[in-house]
Amino acid sequence: YELTQPPSVSVSPGQTVSVTCSGDKVGEKAVSWYQQKPGQSPLLVIYRDYRRPSGIPERFSGSNSGHTATLTIRGTQSTDEADYYCLVWHSAWVFGGGTRLTVL
Amino acid sequence: QVELQESGPGLVKTSETLSLTCNVSGVSFGKNFWNWIRQSPGKGLEWIGCVYSDGSTIYNPSLKSRVDISLDASKNHFSLKLNSVTAADSAKYYCARDSGEGGAVEALDFWGRGSLVTVSS
Repeated sequence: YELTQPPSVSVSPGQTVSVTCSGDKVGEKAVSWYQQKPGQSPLLVIYRDYRRPSGIPERFSGSNSGHTATLTIRGTQSTDEADYYCLVWHSAWVFGGGTRLTVL
Repeated sequence: QVELQESGPGLVKTSETLSLTCNVSGVSFGKNFWNWIRQSPGKGLEWIGCVYSDGSTIYNPSLKSRVDISLDASKNHFSLKLNSVTAADSAKYYCARDSGEGGAVEALDFWGRGSLVTVSS
């Protein structure tokens, strides 16, 4: 099973950006999203498609339907610059290839 | 609070066995899955496998023939062994907890800081 993410996306501060994660019928699976800043461990920001762990800002949201899951960040801040990975379970955990978010 | 800490040799010789331990504090093993993930320099995340609190395991099919993950609740740790390593196994190795309970998988909510392992002859 494969998950495809765009290698990179960019956004201006304060704007909204979406990161996609495409996979066969991914809408039928529970997707989680991870933020990884340079030199740090991944941080869970969205689980079960749209749920936010405690401490994750409301500007992070998620959706999942059909063949695409989406992580959306509203009011993007410079501190959101990081790599983002999607993850699903398909008899094993499968990560997307990751998307580098640049805040210009 | 929940903390995971990886430990083990930073250098392993080619063809030998990589061994790492993840020490868990602030939570019991309960009914969760406990995972190993790795990341080669400049690359993405790769899931290696997991162990359930009852000792049962699930592995990445691409690594299954070389991997062994075990859990010792009495010592509050779980371990990874990867045999016949090559330079391609050089990576930062992370341990992480699955937030799902009762045998369900959900997401990886707590991660260690990672342990960098270099494979060299």
